[in-house]
Amino acid sequence: AQTVTQSQPEMSVQEAETVTLSCTYDTSESDYYLFWYKQPPSRQMILVIRQEAYKQQNATENRFSVNFQKAAKSFSLKISDSQLGDAAMYFCAYYLSQGGSEKLVFGKGTKLTVNP
Amino acid sequence: NAGVTQTPKFQVLKTGQSMTLQCAQDMNHEYMSWYRQDPGMGLRLIHYSVGAGITDQGEVPNGYNVSRSTTEDFPLRLLSAAPSQTSVYFCASRPGLAGGLPRETQYFGPGTRLLVL
Repeated sequence: AQTVTQSQPEMSVQEAETVTLSCTYDTSESDYYLFWYKQPPSRQMILVIRQEAYKQQNATENRFSVNFQKAAKSFSLKISDSQLGDAAMYFCAYYLSQGGSEKLVFGKGTKLTVNP
Repeated sequence: NAGVTQTPKFQVLKTGQSMTLQCAQDMNHEYMSWYRQDPGMGLRLIHYSVGAGITDQGEVPNGYNVSRSTTEDFPLRLLSAAPSQTSVYFCASRPGLAGGLPRETQYFGPGTRLLVL
């Protein structure tokens, strides 16, 4: 069964600094997708970034980038120039579509605090 | 587009009561799903639908029913609420193969907070 592990329940960063959130996953598949979702206090789930497993190049979205290590099954999120609005829960998620069924598995989340 | 909308935002129920959580999307997405989020947990899939008239169970389906009579709506019914169903419920949707968007990316509603006493 696929699992997603976020080993850091909480992280903090100073405004304008860089922080990296960790995520590891377990799968025997080779073709899948990985996501980072942000959940601010409003509880809305907001897509931050996605990565296709078949792509070697790490995804980047403005101040957000990932370090995707397929062999190590690691998918960390780097937030550069942290802003107060980045404070939120961050969830790593794994997606697999196979044989007409699909699965989206979430980690337990990392709470990010941004200090002014 | 309003995206994915959910009503109500917050609801209190007594044990044994029934209710329906509403979910609607105006993006013509084929795929819709319901998740629950409990403290210290990620989201877990309750039920999903790959199109009108087609539904299937997810990871934690017990105590919930769904139907999909239209592309836009995907209500979640609690038949007899229990305290264990106290949670935050999220509805999500994504396009199908012809959607023109990454079909693997799901779009979430704002959530419904449910408290069962």
